[in-house]
Amino acid sequence: QLQLQDSGPGLVKASETLSLTCTVSGGSISSVNYYWGWIRQPPGKGLEWIASIFYSGDTLYNPSLKSRVTISGDTSKNQFSLNLTSVTAADTAVYYCARAAVGRFGARYFDLWGRGTLVAVSS
Amino acid sequence: DIQMTQSPSSLSASVGDRVIITCRASQSISSYLNWYQHKPGKAPKVLIHAASSLQSGVPSRFGGSGSGTDFTLTINSLQPEDFATYYCQQSYSMPYTFGQGTKLEIK
Repeated sequence: QLQLQDSGPGLVKASETLSLTCTVSGGSISSVNYYWGWIRQPPGKGLEWIASIFYSGDTLYNPSLKSRVTISGDTSKNQFSLNLTSVTAADTAVYYCARAAVGRFGARYFDLWGRGTLVAVSS
Repeated sequence: DIQMTQSPSSLSASVGDRVIITCRASQSISSYLNWYQHKPGKAPKVLIHAASSLQSGVPSRFGGSGSGTDFTLTINSLQPEDFATYYCQQSYSMPYTFGQGTKLEIK
């Protein structure tokens, strides 16, 4: 059964770079049927999509974060990663990695999620 | 960006009740609407995709409907494990956006 395990430091200093990795087991990130992404949830707030990466390596970013975000994949390790630069307290959140599947008429939805990693930004 | 607005923001109900949560998009999103259930400390779980398709393994008491800008999630005969926060999400256009959430609490 496919599982996603997100990992990263629990604490990052303001102005530094937040780096997270999602390890996929029981399936391949090279599958043409899916793509992969990161979603976050600040304390007490809703969910925010950050970025996605396709099997081809093509990427999509939320414009609100695009200037600071890079998503990348490592097929040899079956992992994908997120880098968020110049973090501030506003980037404190639980970060989830997730898989996006295709439903009816090509509609995408996140069908599998990691358990989430809480990242706090300290001043 | 497409704005997703859920109502109500919170809801109290009893086991066995039927509840309806609504989600409105700021522009038409056809049927590109998904519903998720989120419990504290756990990963979100997709319930409904493409507005009305029940995700495999999800109990049939969950149902979704709507198209265009107005959508509903219906939960029939609430069970104790259904008390959680529910989010809608549009996948019509990038960036994907979520509603602010509806917290379903036990009355």
